[in-house]
Amino acid sequence: DAKTTQPPSMDCAEGRAANLPCNHSTISGNEYVYWYRQIHSQGPQYIIHGLKNNETNEMASLIITEDRKSSTLILPHATLRDTAVYYCIVRLPNRDDKIIFGKGTRLHILP
Amino acid sequence: EAGVTQFPSHSVIEKGQTVTLRCDPISGHDNLYWYRRVMGKEIKFLLHFVKESKQDESGMPNNRFLAERTGGTYSTLKVQPAELEDSGVYFCASSQVVGLPPLHFGNGTRLTVT
Repeated sequence: DAKTTQPPSMDCAEGRAANLPCNHSTISGNEYVYWYRQIHSQGPQYIIHGLKNNETNEMASLIITEDRKSSTLILPHATLRDTAVYYCIVRLPNRDDKIIFGKGTRLHILP
Repeated sequence: EAGVTQFPSHSVIEKGQTVTLRCDPISGHDNLYWYRRVMGKEIKFLLHFVKESKQDESGMPNNRFLAERTGGTYSTLKVQPAELEDSGVYFCASSQVVGLPPLHFGNGTRLTVT
């Protein structure tokens, strides 16, 4: 899998949009970008994934640059419950390809 | 739809004892994964089942760890004998075979070896 780089931590005020960046400059053409998060004492939770187009679901939006070397996860209205470690992962669309977690970004939502 | 369930949620055992962790994947999910997080470290892959077959066990730390998935439904992970460094949170995840499946994780088993 391509390696990803994320800032170790970020703060965001409650109610504001949280923008979490991820660099994946060595991503290959058929690798997808996935985002997961782990809230304390819970298992990792899938958030969203995409290939080249921007994606949005009920949890977040994913913005992938045109060259696909970086992406941004956007939580539009962050709440205290969004405090978690967020992981950006790239992987091939292959059922045999396991997810490799890096260090992620620890997001603190400030009241 | 029930999620991935893991049992027990916590286990405290002494060094040298045996512990068996259980994972029930989402019904119909052929792929089952085990991961663990040792304190202060990243979440690490242990192994991957497709139905009852071990597809990838490259992350298993040593032969004290034995994973099984008889019948392709639930899975067990046995640690025998347990060592202090085995302490951590063990996560199980499952996914469907078709397409680009996101993994669905359980809430983990927190294992403490004293």
